[in-house]
Amino acid sequence: GAVVSQHPSRVICKSGTSVKIECRSLDFQATTMFWYRQFPKQSLMLMATSNEGSKATYEQGVEKDKFLINHASLTLSTLTVTSAHPEDSSFYICSAEGGTLSGYTFGSGTRLTVV
Amino acid sequence: AQSVTQLGSHVSVSEGALVLLRCNYSSSVPPYLFWYVQYPNQGLQLLLKYTSAATLVKGINGFEAEFKKSETSFHLTKPSAHMSDAAEYFCAVSGNAGNMLTFGGGTRLMVKP
Repeated sequence: GAVVSQHPSRVICKSGTSVKIECRSLDFQATTMFWYRQFPKQSLMLMATSNEGSKATYEQGVEKDKFLINHASLTLSTLTVTSAHPEDSSFYICSAEGGTLSGYTFGSGTRLTVV
Repeated sequence: AQSVTQLGSHVSVSEGALVLLRCNYSSSVPPYLFWYVQYPNQGLQLLLKYTSAATLVKGINGFEAEFKKSETSFHLTKPSAHMSDAAEYFCAVSGNAGNMLTFGGGTRLMVKP
């Protein structure tokens, strides 16, 4: 079945640094990928929709300059958290549409901790 | 516009008992409906999905869900709970394959021995 590889699975970074999270569709092409954020004990919140070769569409309240999304190819989307602060600590999950009966395939998530 | 409501943020059942997790949705177009499970510190795993075919959908791990248009519901059930079913469950809706998913608030299922 379709697989989406997301890494790193865990990252700890210092406040003020940037962190890049990668999301790859391994055996299918994903023209659209989605980035979600999950706060502790809460549901997933869509941050942005990433389209290959074009600018991402951000949800209201999500800072474009802070959460940089790049979707340079049909199999790779990246989320860069710039100038990270402790409040950015969260669980980030990507998903891609296509390839299988599931419709959507999710990455395994990235636990970001900013200290 | 679409939305999902999961009744009960926490559900506790005994091992071997029936599992019922409730999901109601609203959608301006015929919906695609999904149930996902999330184990601690892991990503989501699809349990099952409804895409306008059979209204009773069977998924993995013995779970199933029934789409009831008149009730705008898509409740998840399993006849007999196992300890390994303890996890967070999310119901989600999309207006079309390829559109973004809207998630419910999640239901944490606890299974007592």
